[in-house]
Amino acid sequence: AQRVTQPEKLLSVFKGAPVELKCNYSYSGSPELFWYVQYSRQRLQLLLRHISRESIKGFTADLNKGETSFHLKKPFAQEEDSAMYYCALREAAGNKLTFGGGTRVLVKP
Amino acid sequence: KAGVTQTPRYLIKTRGQQVTLSCSPISGHRSVSWYQQTPGQGLQFLFEYFSETQRNKGNFPGRFSGRQFSNSRSEMNVSTLELGDSALYLCASSLEQGPNSPLHFGNGTRLTVT
Repeated sequence: AQRVTQPEKLLSVFKGAPVELKCNYSYSGSPELFWYVQYSRQRLQLLLRHISRESIKGFTADLNKGETSFHLKKPFAQEEDSAMYYCALREAAGNKLTFGGGTRVLVKP
Repeated sequence: KAGVTQTPRYLIKTRGQQVTLSCSPISGHRSVSWYQQTPGQGLQFLFEYFSETQRNKGNFPGRFSGRQFSNSRSEMNVSTLELGDSALYLCASSLEQGPNSPLHFGNGTRLTVT
């Protein structure tokens, strides 16, 4: 069965410092990987998807099939990045997302 | 374009009752999925509907059911409520499936079972 693991429940960094959120997955097929973000009192929003290989709000994520990882990185964290981040995997068929447990990021001034 | 709309935002029910939650997807989206979010279990997939047919189902008991109408609006129903059903229920919609169809989430319905 597919699984998504986010080993850190909480990441606390200072403003301007780099931040990296880890995500590892297990899936026998060819997955689609996503990062979703939930700011305080807001809905879950799509941040990045591996297929688009883009940078959003300074965040990037690279799919490493050899290590089955999809880590999220930002070189200089901002206070507005404080939020809950979820890594998610979509199977080849359908729209079922399997989510990791989430990582809360706190960016201190 | 309006986002995914879920009603009601909050619900308080008693054990043994049943409840119906509603979701209106983004205009043009044909796939609607439902998720349960709890502090202990995180985000868990309930089921997905596409063109009025259930396409995928998670590992939840039969008390959890859903349906989709011809206008793509969806409802989920939970019968014989248990205390453990207290959660935030999220609905997500997408165009179809595949790399150009990411899921967009609503604000959720917070269900409290007493």
